[in-house]
Amino acid sequence: AQSVSQHNHHVILSEAASLELGCNYSYGGTVNLFWYVQYPGQHLQLLLKYFSGDPLVKGIKGFEAEFIKSKFSFNLRKPSVQWSDTAEYFCAVRVSGGYQKVTFGTGTKLQVIP
Amino acid sequence: EAGVTQFPSHSVIEKGQTVTLRCDPISGHDNLYWYRRVMGKEIKFLLHFVKESKQDESGMPNNRFLAERTGGTYSTLKVQPAELEDSGVYFCASSQSSSSYNEQFFGPGTRLTVL
Repeated sequence: AQSVSQHNHHVILSEAASLELGCNYSYGGTVNLFWYVQYPGQHLQLLLKYFSGDPLVKGIKGFEAEFIKSKFSFNLRKPSVQWSDTAEYFCAVRVSGGYQKVTFGTGTKLQVIP
Repeated sequence: EAGVTQFPSHSVIEKGQTVTLRCDPISGHDNLYWYRRVMGKEIKFLLHFVKESKQDESGMPNNRFLAERTGGTYSTLKVQPAELEDSGVYFCASSQSSSSYNEQFFGPGTRLTVL
């Protein structure tokens, strides 16, 4: 079965700092990869996704993620965070062509200090 | 377009009682999913409906949990009898088709507390 590991549980950054959240997954086959975000008091929403093609994917609000197949990683990055990026971020994986269930990591809480 | 809605937003019950959670997917979405997040842990898959049929129920923890989707529209998740370890946030999601390229849209969740 697939699993997802997020390295940081809680990250605190000052505004304008750069962000990188680590994510590794374990599964030997082809996967779809996702980052979801949950802002305070709001629904989980999709930040970005990777299915195939260019391993560098761009999402909403200036976020991007790079899929490195050899490292089973899908790290999330943003060059300059804003206070409004304060949220919980979830890395997730789904087996390509298989059942539709999404497997999530434990989440990383990001706090951006003005 | 209305998003996925869930009712209630919060529920506090005592151990041994029964609770029923409801999810209304986005109109026209055949696929409906239930997930659960126990405090401090990951969001875990419970089951997946395609219309009214259970496609994958591999994540259902035990037979105290019963999910239904009669008519292929809204779904209910009943916990009977509830135990302390059932506390958590229950999320529902829906997607238009079963294609791997389809995004799952999540509802706001129901926070269940079992005392």
